[in-house]
Amino acid sequence: QKEVEQNSGPLSVPEGAIASLNCTYSDRVSQSFFWYRQYSGKSPELIMSIYSNGDKEDGRFTAQLNKASQYVSLLIRDSQPSDSATYLCAVNGGGSNYKLTFGKGTLLTVNP
Amino acid sequence: GAGVSQSPSNKVTEKGKDVELRCDPISGHTALYWYRQSLGQGLEFLIYFQGNSAPDKSGLPSDRFSAERTGGSVSTLTIQRTQQEDSAVYLCASSLRGGFTDTQYFGPGTRLTVL
Repeated sequence: QKEVEQNSGPLSVPEGAIASLNCTYSDRVSQSFFWYRQYSGKSPELIMSIYSNGDKEDGRFTAQLNKASQYVSLLIRDSQPSDSATYLCAVNGGGSNYKLTFGKGTLLTVNP
Repeated sequence: GAGVSQSPSNKVTEKGKDVELRCDPISGHTALYWYRQSLGQGLEFLIYFQGNSAPDKSGLPSDRFSAERTGGSVSTLTIQRTQQEDSAVYLCASSLRGGFTDTQYFGPGTRLTVL
């Protein structure tokens, strides 16, 4: 049973702070890792994808991957109230490239 | 360009009735996925279509669930003899090829309520 674990939160940070979201996964052969943002009542939208160990930066977002520790994280710098949403970590299974396993998500609240 | 579209956006049905949910993927995307999101749960994979290949139905929770994709484009998810536990948001996604680096783009979902 492939599993993706996230802290459900809520994670509350003040505006302008760094929000750190964490995710662990059980399948050692996973190859690709995604962070989706989901606003209440809306569908998920992709924020970041990462495939290699290390950091990947895109604007205010940085994804970090450590395959040895089976750990992926998302950092949001200069958090804005508009970043308040549920963040979903998704991991593909190595044997089934297309099939994503999602965590239950972390609810982030950015306070003005 | 147009994103993934789904219809209806909301569906209320009585226990025991059959329902059909429709998904129209992004033009040119060969891969199509159905997921289910129940309250407080993560997204649960249901079924995957890629081109003319046989679909991966490994996520379908029971034989009351079926899906088809006609002409490599529009897909219909059918739930027969609906049960209250089928109440959830059903999300469709599409991607360009279905490879492990593909981004899956989600539609707005169909909220199904079984009374």
